[in-house]
Amino acid sequence: DQQVKQNSPSLSVQEGRISILNCDYTNSMFDYFLWYKKYPAEGPTFLISISSIKDKNEDGRFTVFLNKSAKHLSLHIVPSQPGDSAVYFCAASDPFTGNQFYFGTGTSLTVIP
Amino acid sequence: EAGVAQSPRYKIIEKRQSVAFWCNPISGHATLYWYQQILGQGPKLLIQFQNNGVVDDSQLPKDRFSAERLKGVDSTLKIQPAKLEDSAVYLCASSSTGDTQYFGPGTRLTVL
Repeated sequence: DQQVKQNSPSLSVQEGRISILNCDYTNSMFDYFLWYKKYPAEGPTFLISISSIKDKNEDGRFTVFLNKSAKHLSLHIVPSQPGDSAVYFCAASDPFTGNQFYFGTGTSLTVIP
Repeated sequence: EAGVAQSPRYKIIEKRQSVAFWCNPISGHATLYWYQQILGQGPKLLIQFQNNGVVDDSQLPKDRFSAERLKGVDSTLKIQPAKLEDSAVYLCASSSTGDTQYFGPGTRLTVL
């Protein structure tokens, strides 16, 4: 039972353009959402988060958008850089299970120089 | 500030053998998590500790997996006996507030 889904396994983008990574969830009780970035042979690294009381959060080149009615969030990277090439996981936190995180399956982003 | 430490980084064993993984969380982080990440999937929570108590172990296969965090700091995850399907990366994470989890580099287990 996959409560968090990332339907695009991979994405390729030209350097300097916008990367948009998408994530859908099924549990309306999730109240906190995060994006993690993972390089090969390393653990996931926290990138950006958003609370369910907001619909947008920005941090430099990274912006996360949350659409609660559609149960959808997206990560925008502008401009994309070759160093952004990694696997991106979205995660959602359920306050009713001790803030357990549910992860999506990841999207592999390749930024082409 | 030192990050989450895990060892070993890689382990190859044969099925039915036992294996143990060690994790040292970020200093002061009360909550510690063990995740299993199978190739092509996202991390799946196995067990969550708050200090030295278990908060959630509902997805831990208790017939073969065990974990402890005796002094509320570092933790050990054990598999005995291992099966082929246990081949995965085992990630440890810690958190101070519960909002954000910080991950270690993981241990890649291969069961032959």
